[in-house]
Amino acid sequence: GAGVSQSPRYKVTKRGQDVALRCDPISGHVSLYWYRQALGQGPEFLTYFNYEAQQDKSGLPNDRFSAERPEGSISTLTIQRTEQRDSAMYRCASSSGPHYEQYFGPGTRLTVT
Amino acid sequence: SQQGEEDPQALSIQEGENATMNCSYKTSINNLQWYRQNSGRGLVHLILIRSNEREKHSGRLRVTLDTSKKSSSLLITASRAADTASYFCATDAVSNFGNEKLTFGTGTRLTIIP
Repeated sequence: GAGVSQSPRYKVTKRGQDVALRCDPISGHVSLYWYRQALGQGPEFLTYFNYEAQQDKSGLPNDRFSAERPEGSISTLTIQRTEQRDSAMYRCASSSGPHYEQYFGPGTRLTVT
Repeated sequence: SQQGEEDPQALSIQEGENATMNCSYKTSINNLQWYRQNSGRGLVHLILIRSNEREKHSGRLRVTLDTSKKSSSLLITASRAADTASYFCATDAVSNFGNEKLTFGTGTRLTIIP
């Protein structure tokens, strides 16, 4: 079946603009996670959902970052007033439930100029 | 904060040899997962091993877990050029808050020499 999909795959934006990154999890997966990966590093946790409920947002760097999953399926990560330090690969993962395998999407490469 | 630390940071071996990578972590875990990342590409899930398991196999991959030493190893047997990639361990730590996040290490860069 289809894996996790993310869009756009690449996003270049100017500093100060808002961006919205989309994640479509594996069908039927109840848990959805957002991570950010800097070059040469492992992914770092941002936030996660079980169904539509945001369970933990402790990894979001500041209040410019927000995420939602209103119907318990597709999720959007929004970054307001982007800054150059927000440039990174943003990865989404989904899981069939707590403490199961997390499967990652291809990521969105965000570049803030 | 980093939970897993992979060792070595980089490893080069001849095709056909076995490759072993190690991961150490700091806190109690529910499970530990290994991932592969080819240059500039996605993270591919390899194996999940739970805290009550000691060893798992998948094809040419063998993963061990020693919870008393808080360490895990990934063995790739009969390596191939296509195994060239970065390998990450990720821990699902036990938490009073029921957190499900994975905490990744910095990875081992494996190069297979044809």
